[in-house]
This record gives sequence, C-alpha cells and structure tokens, in this order.
Amino acid sequence: DGGITQSPKYLFRKEGQNVTLSCEQNLNHDAMYWYRQDPGQGLRLIYYSQIVNDFQKGDIAEGYSVSREKKESFPLTVTSAQKNPTAFYLCASAGFSSYNEQFFGPGTRLTVL
Amino acid sequence: AQKVTQAQTEISVVEKEDVTLDCVYETRDTTYYLFWYKQPPSGELVFLIRRNSFDEQNEISGRYSWNFQKSTSSFNFTITASQVVDSAVYFCALSEAGYGGATNKLIFGTGTLLAVQP
Repeated sequence: DGGITQSPKYLFRKEGQNVTLSCEQNLNHDAMYWYRQDPGQGLRLIYYSQIVNDFQKGDIAEGYSVSREKKESFPLTVTSAQKNPTAFYLCASAGFSSYNEQFFGPGTRLTVL
Repeated sequence: AQKVTQAQTEISVVEKEDVTLDCVYETRDTTYYLFWYKQPPSGELVFLIRRNSFDEQNEISGRYSWNFQKSTSSFNFTITASQVVDSAVYFCALSEAGYGGATNKLIFGTGTLLAVQP
C-alpha cells in the first residue's frame, strides 16, 4: 500500500531531552512537510523539503531540526530548545504532478512530562 | 500575505440537516489553489477537494458541494443531509501555484469543528 507512515503514534518526553519523530513515504514524492497542530490554531508549517539534501524553514522552525538524506524519509527532531513541544505533529508529502495536493500521515502526539 | 479565515470555530447540527462551512481567503496571486481537508478524530487529514483559481465552476460530490466565488474570495463547503460520520474538523487551505506545483506551501485556516448529533 502506498502512503505515509509516522512513528510512534504517541511519544512522551522528559523536559530537556531531544526526541526524533519518524516520517516515511513510499509515494515517490519529492516534497515533504512537517506541521504542528495545537488546539484552535490549525496547522503551522515547521520545515519543508523539496528535494533530497535540501530543506527550508517554515513559520515556526525554532527549536526543531530536520534532515533529508533519502527521498523517502524526513525525520523531525524536537530539541530541548523548543519551549512548548507538546502538540500533534503531522507529516505530509506531495509530488510535482499533484498540483500542491499534500498527502498526510496519521500523526504523532508528543507530550512533554 | 496569504491568509485563510474560517470564522466558524464549532458548528453543531442534528443528523439530516444541511450545513455550510465558510472559508474566506486572501492572496495577491492571480494563480492559486484552494483545498478542503477533513480531520476525523483519528487525526489524519483526508483530502476532499482541490480548486484552481481559474475554475469557478461549483462542484458536487455526493452529499458534498463546494461554492467558489472569486468576487468575494470565498470557497464554502456544504454538506447536505449530514450524518454522524461527518463529525470532524474541516480545514480550508490555500496555496500559490508555481512551477512544479508540489514545492509550494499550504496555508491553513484554523478549522471548523463539526458535530453531527444523532
């Protein structure tokens, strides 16, 4: 089945720890995106990547880092510098032929204890 | 700057009622795309529709219909004869259309929570 997988579904972290969220797609899409969702605030873009080994900051990149070493994978690291990391994180991908339509993964809910 | 406004935070209806979700957008681009996504309680966003700025024809898909009006910068979504399974958060989104299409970001509204009561 083609799609986007995110793991884990639920993640708990202690304050001061870095944590990495996984995102993998087998849709052969070039572009990948990370969003953060907080209650009542919709989705906000953290980072996006249009091609392997290249990525750009979105609207709320501070405290986050990414890598894009493979086309299929776009992991997001939430660092200890992120002041309020508890949120729902969604990964998406899009192909050049899809006219900006983004396909979303099931999400990871991160809770800082 | 691009912006999407969904003024309705929450809507509650009784099953079989019709309901319209409003979406107003702002952009200086002449070429752009508009989208609606559904987010059920499971959390994953499900694509519903894409519209480009040159196509103002309204669209109907089963119980769903969309009204795109450039004159009022609106892209409203109507569910006819609502069902409990329609309960979800619905997001409207905007994207500029550039070369390659897929490289451009989506600007999301804050979403409308629709609760359909049995």
